Amino acid sequence: SQQGEEDPQALSIQEGENATMNCSYKTSINNLQWYRQNSGRGLVHLILIRSNEREKHSGRLRVTLDTSKKSSSLLITASRAADTASYFCATDRGGGATNKLIFGTGTLLAVQP
Amino acid sequence: EAGVAQSPRYKIIEKRQSVAFWCNPISGHATLYWYQQILGQGPKLLIQFQNNGVVDDSQLPKDRFSAERLKGVDSTLKIQPAKLEDSAVYLCASSLTPGRADTQYFGPGTRLTVL
Repeated sequence: SQQGEEDPQALSIQEGENATMNCSYKTSINNLQWYRQNSGRGLVHLILIRSNEREKHSGRLRVTLDTSKKSSSLLITASRAADTASYFCATDRGGGATNKLIFGTGTLLAVQP
Repeated sequence: EAGVAQSPRYKIIEKRQSVAFWCNPISGHATLYWYQQILGQGPKLLIQFQNNGVVDDSQLPKDRFSAERLKGVDSTLKIQPAKLEDSAVYLCASSLTPGRADTQYFGPGTRLTVL
């Protein structure tokens, strides 16, 4: 079953604008990760935020995590046409040796040039 | 550094036929994962190996799916017999350190169409 749900399901913006995607999950987690998937290509890891962190930055990406609300957001600033892709959040509940990720349903981002 | 390799990239078969997918993880990565991604959904973990042992196969339909990782390196995933609902992209991923919050590196996937 899917742990996370992304919102919105689809988002269309103009180049240069910011894009915000949200992820909600159901159970406690060890960490939350965001991945990008371009059309016809594999998943690429973007950023990992641990349960004891509230905000993390990587280049034009900013991720926040609110464990009390069981939600996370991914902000892409100054978007480019190349950012067009599906974005997935994935939760790792930790415990033992499994490092098992449960992916959400994804947000399809279209950046218009 | 070479990434995760998968083959074939595409496969079309008829229902009740058999199919096998191959994965070569990043060199030195102890953990290997197989995911199923149905169109419009996120990937779902089918099986996870640590070296050549199975760590988690709770979501693997064992009546028709099987997987092995011989010598703790390459892995194959087999479906026998295939059903229409098996149409999906099968993704292989690997990570370096077992039991840690490691980045998983994904291959390009195999797109399976069952007619």
